[in-house]
Amino acid sequence: AQSVAQPEDQVNVAEGNPLTVKCTYSVSGNPYLFWYVQYPNRGLQFLLKYITGDNLVKGSYGFEAEFNKSQTSFHLKKPSALVSDSALYFCAGFTGGGNKLTFGTGTQLKVEL
Amino acid sequence: DAGVTQSPTHLIKTRGQQVTLRCSPKSGHDTVSWYQQALGQGPQFIFQYYEEEERQRGNFPDRFSGHQFPNYSSELNVNALLLGDSALYLCASSFGRGVEQYFGPGTRLTVT
Repeated sequence: AQSVAQPEDQVNVAEGNPLTVKCTYSVSGNPYLFWYVQYPNRGLQFLLKYITGDNLVKGSYGFEAEFNKSQTSFHLKKPSALVSDSALYFCAGFTGGGNKLTFGTGTQLKVEL
Repeated sequence: DAGVTQSPTHLIKTRGQQVTLRCSPKSGHDTVSWYQQALGQGPQFIFQYYEEEERQRGNFPDRFSGHQFPNYSSELNVNALLLGDSALYLCASSFGRGVEQYFGPGTRLTVT
């Protein structure tokens, strides 16, 4: 069985400060991991993915994520948060053989002035 | 280049009724997946269609069924609606077994 966990329901950060949204995974085989963002009453927007290779993945809007196999983590990061980054963030993954995504429960990011 | 489109945007149905949701994939994509996102939850995989056949299925009852047409568009049908079926239904498209899935804006279904 595969699962993705987001241990924080909400993360608050001041604008201009670095942000981290945590994700851990439990999948058999080599994981494919993703981050999506969802704004109110909208669908999911793709931010970035890890398939193989470099453990630091760069994505859209200045976001990046670090894949850590030993800690089974895939944390989302941004060096300097913007108020417009405030949204619901989902970590998701699957293993090879099928691209059925398993999602975490989401983390609400709030960036304040 | 049109992205993934879904219709309708919102829908209100009564318990016991049947509903059909529609999805058109991103241009060039041939695989459509459906997800259910209940309020405050992450999306849950319902099923995936490729070459007009159901290729994978999540843990959803047979009341949930689907179809894919030759032009790759897809429908999700839910019979005998329950209050618990109220959710945002998301469609995602990809090419083949491509890892990157593009999501539509979703259909908000409310069952009363």
